[in-house]
Amino acid sequence: DQQVKQNSPSLSVQEGRISILNCDYTNSMFDYFLWYKKYPAEGPTFLISISSIKDKNEDGRFTVFLNKSAKHLSLHIVPSQPGDSAVYFCAARLNYGGSQGNLIFGKGTKLSVKP
Amino acid sequence: DAGVTQSPTHLIKTRGQQVTLRCSPISGHKSVSWYQQVLGQGPQFIFQYYEKEERGRGNFPDRFSARQFPNYSSELNVNALLLGDSALYLCASSLVLGQPQHFGDGTRLSIL
Repeated sequence: DQQVKQNSPSLSVQEGRISILNCDYTNSMFDYFLWYKKYPAEGPTFLISISSIKDKNEDGRFTVFLNKSAKHLSLHIVPSQPGDSAVYFCAARLNYGGSQGNLIFGKGTKLSVKP
Repeated sequence: DAGVTQSPTHLIKTRGQQVTLRCSPISGHKSVSWYQQVLGQGPQFIFQYYEKEERGRGNFPDRFSARQFPNYSSELNVNALLLGDSALYLCASSLVLGQPQHFGDGTRLSIL
């Protein structure tokens, strides 16, 4: 049973426009959410995170929104650039008992930004 | 500063063999985690170590084991390899538990 779901396998956006990547989760024990970007033949690169006690976090062109009641988060990239083309993974952190920091990942969304 | 380094980058083994993968965390990072990523899926958590102690274990069989050394580097061992163990194995480090994890480029393991 997938606890973190990225229902869109791919997304295509025009350069300069907004990219919105979505993620849904089921486990209310998640306390922290992260977005990673992955280029082929490289490991995932940390992008931005948000604590479950916040609803928005912004870092330059990247903004993450969290809607706890809907168990939904989204990553907004504005403006999108061709170099943003990559696979984006949503991850959630379990933090209870002795388990601190285990990340549960979605399947990823492949973003293509067209010039 | 060097990021997380993993060795080897690629490895080919046959069924039944054993393999050891190595990871050096970012300097100063005390927590190391291992993930398995199969094609078309996100990384799946295998182990987490902090200060040389196991702090988390994912849903993997006992054929998988790991350890962390005094210098905070880590090894992942897999015994009795199966075809289904073919995957990209990722190591991630963080300063302490709970901080964002930074990933290496992985070891691509192919089982024939």
